[in-house]
Amino acid sequence: NAGVMQNPRHLVRRRGQEARLRCSPVKGHSHVYWYRQLPEEGLKFMVYLQKENIIDESGMPKERFSAEFPKEGPSILRIQQVVRGDSAAYFCASSPPEGGHSGNTIYFGEGSWLTVV
Amino acid sequence: AQTVTQSQPEMSVQEAETVTLSCTYDTSESDYYLFWYKQPPSRQMILVIRQEAYKQQNATENRFSVNFQKAAKSFSLKISDSQLGDAAMYFCAYKGDDYKLSFGAGTTVTVRA
Repeated sequence: NAGVMQNPRHLVRRRGQEARLRCSPVKGHSHVYWYRQLPEEGLKFMVYLQKENIIDESGMPKERFSAEFPKEGPSILRIQQVVRGDSAAYFCASSPPEGGHSGNTIYFGEGSWLTVV
Repeated sequence: AQTVTQSQPEMSVQEAETVTLSCTYDTSESDYYLFWYKQPPSRQMILVIRQEAYKQQNATENRFSVNFQKAAKSFSLKISDSQLGDAAMYFCAYKGDDYKLSFGAGTTVTVRA
């Protein structure tokens, strides 16, 4: 499967715990995006990363949320001290080295469903 | 941020019939891209069709086609010969000069056997 791979698909955390979501982009893609989908809503942009760089994190909550895309390994979206309102589907997407500016299609993973109890 | 509006929360269609989903958007850009994504019960986001704004010809992918009206900022999706597997949430999305996708709120399509 050469698509965007996300894991875990489902994650349950108690309030106050940490959630880590992982994303491996399509092979050859160096641009990664994270989107969040709240129940009954469309996807909302969170952050855009290239290898070892955060390009745009304007959609990320100011506290508790962080993202990285290291030189080696998957991109990680980390949520510290989770609250019930963090329950959502988190989608990772990737695009080729030209990025999204050229109009290249952004491909989505299958999403990670976080439930905070 | 660009605004994408899907005014139909739900649509129902008889199997083998045609259904049209509406989408309008607000932008001051002249060059941009529009997409329709399908989200079935598995919740995966699947690209259905894309349209470049500089192309006047409407995009077509098998039973899926769009009616792109640039002046009206309208981008509707037509599903022909509807099948049970077409039942899903459909999202319209806009991508302008930057890399962000702006999504509409979605339209749930139900296919009646």
